[in-house]
Amino acid sequence: DVKVTQSSRYLVKRTGEKVFLECVQDMDHENMFWYRQDPGLGLRLIYFSYDVKMKEKGDIPEGYSVSREKKERFSLILESASTNQTSMYLCASSLNLDSPLHFGNGTRLTVT
Amino acid sequence: TQLLEQSPQFLSIQEGENLTVYCNSSSVFSSLQWYRQEPGEGPVLLVTVVTGGEVKKLKRLTFQFGDARKDSSLHITAAQPGDTGLYLCAEKPSGGYQKVTFGIGTKLQVIP
Repeated sequence: DVKVTQSSRYLVKRTGEKVFLECVQDMDHENMFWYRQDPGLGLRLIYFSYDVKMKEKGDIPEGYSVSREKKERFSLILESASTNQTSMYLCASSLNLDSPLHFGNGTRLTVT
Repeated sequence: TQLLEQSPQFLSIQEGENLTVYCNSSSVFSSLQWYRQEPGEGPVLLVTVVTGGEVKKLKRLTFQFGDARKDSSLHITAAQPGDTGLYLCAEKPSGGYQKVTFGIGTKLQVIP
């Protein structure tokens, strides 16, 4: 079974802090994704990566950056956390363009 | 970005009842996926439908893709408490890098 592991289930950070969300997959998947999930807005794509050191902006990249130095790890960075970034963050991976997304269990981030 | 509308947004039913949830789009889907997200977990793929008119069954769940590939439905027969969760439809585009777009979801509660 594919396992996508997000390093924290819950995080509480202060406004202005730099925040790192880590995601690791164990199945040698090419593609990795970061979504945020908010009530009434659904899942929205922040960034995705189709190869090591490659990244593409999703629908809502503002205020975020990403890093993919190794194939199995995809990090989401909030350069200066703001309260409107309080959300559930979901990482996903997929083997290739035709395969389904496999999600981690999410990180619930609260910015105070 | 294609807009996916799901209805109803919330549904609370008694164990043993039948239900149908819907996913509609303003334009033609390349292919349509249904995911289920249980509380505290990430979404898990249930099915992918590709061909207009296609029907797929997964135990008590029946998925139908509209003839014009602009709508889809999920029917659950004799709902059980284990069916409780958020049901998400998603469009998986053809070609290019995989950028799946999700609907807001239908939150289903099955009461024992």
